[in-house]
Amino acid sequence: DTGVSQNPRHKITKRGQNVTFRCDPISEHNRLYWYRQTLGQGPEFLTYFQNEAQLEKSRLLSDRFSAERPKGSFSTLEIQRTEQGDSAMYLCASSFSGDRYEQYFGPGTRLTVT
Amino acid sequence: AQSVTQLGSHVSVSEGALVLLRCNYSSSVPPYLFWYVQYPNQGLQLLLKYTTGATLVKGINGFEAEFKKSETSFHLTKPSAHMSDAAEYFCAVSESGGSNYKLTFGKGTLLTVNP
Repeated sequence: DTGVSQNPRHKITKRGQNVTFRCDPISEHNRLYWYRQTLGQGPEFLTYFQNEAQLEKSRLLSDRFSAERPKGSFSTLEIQRTEQGDSAMYLCASSFSGDRYEQYFGPGTRLTVT
Repeated sequence: AQSVTQLGSHVSVSEGALVLLRCNYSSSVPPYLFWYVQYPNQGLQLLLKYTTGATLVKGINGFEAEFKKSETSFHLTKPSAHMSDAAEYFCAVSESGGSNYKLTFGKGTLLTVNP
């Protein structure tokens, strides 16, 4: 068990560019979550997948954001036309239906939009 | 809707002193409650959780928390602070009976441990 991994760990981009982040959950986990954490705040829920189905999206997830989880394995989060307000830590977490309460978090991807 | 309030964005204690981090929640249904710890440049690690049963729950690294329904609280304690406890701590709530178990977090409390 190597834990949840996220790539890249850091991303610096210019305003208006598109960025994509990847999350690899723990292999047997069928639930996957994305959260966003800004400076001085706790993580905020963005979206949730069960297997390959995206079952819930937060109102924080504007139409510039899209997430996918093809084949119910890894997930990607894409932000189009980045804005400075998108600068944050993007956290991925996964859990297993047999222990649905406990989410395991990855190290996060820190995005800086200049 | 659910929410979490963590009183005190920064708590400073001496090594060996009691650690008390406060958390109050709001939930329209019986909550599931969690404490997570975050070290610099790392993800969140679960310290402990309350789902059902015993209201005093013990977690890793000597931490424990007590669910008090009447006070809507879930305060985190540790009898004796260690330097390695310095980190940011987040309280979170999830709704029981929900289908996705998403977490709602407080703003966090930064714990400093002085030698």
